[in-house]
Amino acid sequence: QVQLVQSGAEVKKPGASMNLSCKASGDTFTYSSIHWLRQAPGQRLEWMGWINTANANTKYSQKFHGRVTITRDTSATTAYMDLSSLRSEDTAVYYCARQYCSGGSCYNAFDIWGQGTMVAVSS
Amino acid sequence: SYELTQPPSVSVSPGQTASITCSGDKLGDKYAYWYQQKPGQSPVLVIYQDSKRPSGIPERFSGSNSGNTATLTISGTQAMDEADYFCQAWDSSALYVFGTGTKVTVL
Repeated sequence: QVQLVQSGAEVKKPGASMNLSCKASGDTFTYSSIHWLRQAPGQRLEWMGWINTANANTKYSQKFHGRVTITRDTSATTAYMDLSSLRSEDTAVYYCARQYCSGGSCYNAFDIWGQGTMVAVSS
Repeated sequence: SYELTQPPSVSVSPGQTASITCSGDKLGDKYAYWYQQKPGQSPVLVIYQDSKRPSGIPERFSGSNSGNTATLTISGTQAMDEADYFCQAWDSSALYVFGTGTKVTVL
């Protein structure tokens, strides 16, 4: 069974950047794409972007375009998410998640999630 | 932008049926997905493509989607089903969109 293990909690100053990691184990890393999402306190989940782990193609939400960069290291079976110019509104739990694929088909949903990384942005 | 709206809370007695709705413009023309999230835990996919259950999800979870509303139904609700549930859809412009979430309380 695949698992996604995320890096630990962070506290950042406004204007700083953050780099989160998401290590996959237990399955073929390039089997499915990895997505990054976040959940601010009391808010709905928000999709940020994804990376095709096989070819490194990426797509980002318009909301974060220009501030977010997602990369991957296939040898380390790890995906990374950089978010720059942090502000207080970026305080949230950040999740990586795998796109759900089954029986040779992939769906616009997420079946395996990391444990989440709490990021607090405060001066 | 595309938005999905859910009731903030639903209460249900053990053994009874809980229905959670998710509303969005012409949602029935898209696929709806549902997740369960318990406090301090990551979400779990319980329904995909409106009504299909991933492996390991109990049969008491079912879904439907028509018109502007998708519905997650929990039949024979158990205490372990107490959690937040949120819907999700894929929109060609907004891409992955999530609902506001519904807290299910088993009384």
